[in-house]
Amino acid sequence: RKEVEQDPGPFNVPEGATVAFNCTYSNSASQSFFWYRQDCRKEPKLLMSVYSSGNEDGRFTAQLNRASQYISLLIRDSKLSDSATYLCVVPEKTSYDKVIFGPGTSLSVIP
Amino acid sequence: NAGVTQTPKFQVLKTGQSMTLQCAQDMNHEYMSWYRQDPGMGLRLIHYSVGAGITDQGEVPNGYNVSRSTTEDFPLRLLSAAPSQTSVYFCASSRGQSSYNEQFFGPGTRLTVL
Repeated sequence: RKEVEQDPGPFNVPEGATVAFNCTYSNSASQSFFWYRQDCRKEPKLLMSVYSSGNEDGRFTAQLNRASQYISLLIRDSKLSDSATYLCVVPEKTSYDKVIFGPGTSLSVIP
Repeated sequence: NAGVTQTPKFQVLKTGQSMTLQCAQDMNHEYMSWYRQDPGMGLRLIHYSVGAGITDQGEVPNGYNVSRSTTEDFPLRLLSAAPSQTSVYFCASSRGQSSYNEQFFGPGTRLTVL
């Protein structure tokens, strides 16, 4: 298994819909994870961190399933402004100070 | 507070040319890194630094050099450009000595090598 994998999409959803992305990882020792958001032709920006208890920020909920080694990102009541690529970030297996970025999942929210 | 700045925004090189991509941050972050982003692939780490005077290789270091003489600056040098180095390059910084903390990215440099 690759260190981190994401469904590239694109996910095309109507405004107001709920959408979820998964990200699988291979490093079973990983404790913390991140979701970054990247708008088209822009730099990535941190969306949220994910720890064992998950995380929620408004319409965004991130959860960790350690047994199955995946993290998920749920977006409720999708807005047009949510259209972006969502990057999953996991700790690198062989290092204590580096992370690995997934290839990203593309989301388009349609009017 | 400008955050992370990168210059230039765009660059076209011919095969064999060399150049330096500039990166600076004003947040007093110890950790700085360079990534390249290619279509369909995640950001791949080129080189990183955990503080002034300390640099190390990432996943794809070949063809690139870095130095970290100050906390603020972390330039990336392409020694002899090749078409395979056509990519978008992002510089990032984070507090502490790892990238486990929130990374702040610059706006990127779009490089084309002909």
